Amino acid sequence: QVRLQESGPGLMKPSETLSLICSVSGYSISEGYDWGWIRQPPGEGLEWVGSISQSGDSEYSPSLKGRITISVDRSNNQFSLELRSVTAADTATYYCVRILIGVAGLDHWGQGILVTVSS
Amino acid sequence: EIVLTQSPATLSLSPGDRATLSCRASQIIGINSLAWYQQRPGQAPRLLIFGAASRATGIPDRFSGSGSGTDFTLTITRLEPEDFAVYYCQQYGFSPPYTFGQGTKVEIK
Repeated sequence: QVRLQESGPGLMKPSETLSLICSVSGYSISEGYDWGWIRQPPGEGLEWVGSISQSGDSEYSPSLKGRITISVDRSNNQFSLELRSVTAADTATYYCVRILIGVAGLDHWGQGILVTVSS
Repeated sequence: EIVLTQSPATLSLSPGDRATLSCRASQIIGINSLAWYQQRPGQAPRLLIFGAASRATGIPDRFSGSGSGTDFTLTITRLEPEDFAVYYCQQYGFSPPYTFGQGTKVEIK
């Protein structure tokens, strides 16, 4: 059974760097699929943040470009999100996801982690 | 950026009713480039339909997806109590951002 689990800080101050890790179990991230992050501000809809492919190519939301890095740690079967210079607008629940290839669909989701940015 | 517009914003129905949810894209997207998700309160979204019309693993056959071009539909033939939730469509086209619709809430009438 594939499981994804986010970890990271729950509370941050403006201008800090957010680092989240998604630990994957039940599947080797080196076997296939792309991997990514989705976020959801409190009471709002879903926003695609970014993703990374098997070959290591990353794609990012244009609204976050310049502040974001997604990387893979194959030895620990994890991938991560780094978001620099956070503001209150980055307050959201962050989900890590497994991405189908060749067809639209995020078929496995983590439970989500709420990150609050407040001074 | 492709904008997805879902309608209606809220659908008030009774258990056993048929639900028809619409997702309209601001430009043509590929037949394999549309997915639907269900999100229950306090839970992560879960994949219902991938590639516009294929049910994900474990999804009951009362859920079906259809459409092409710019107009896509999610149909729930007979609503069960656990189906009252928020539904999102998402496009995964040629380039980011791979946007979501704003959601349709299916509530008990």
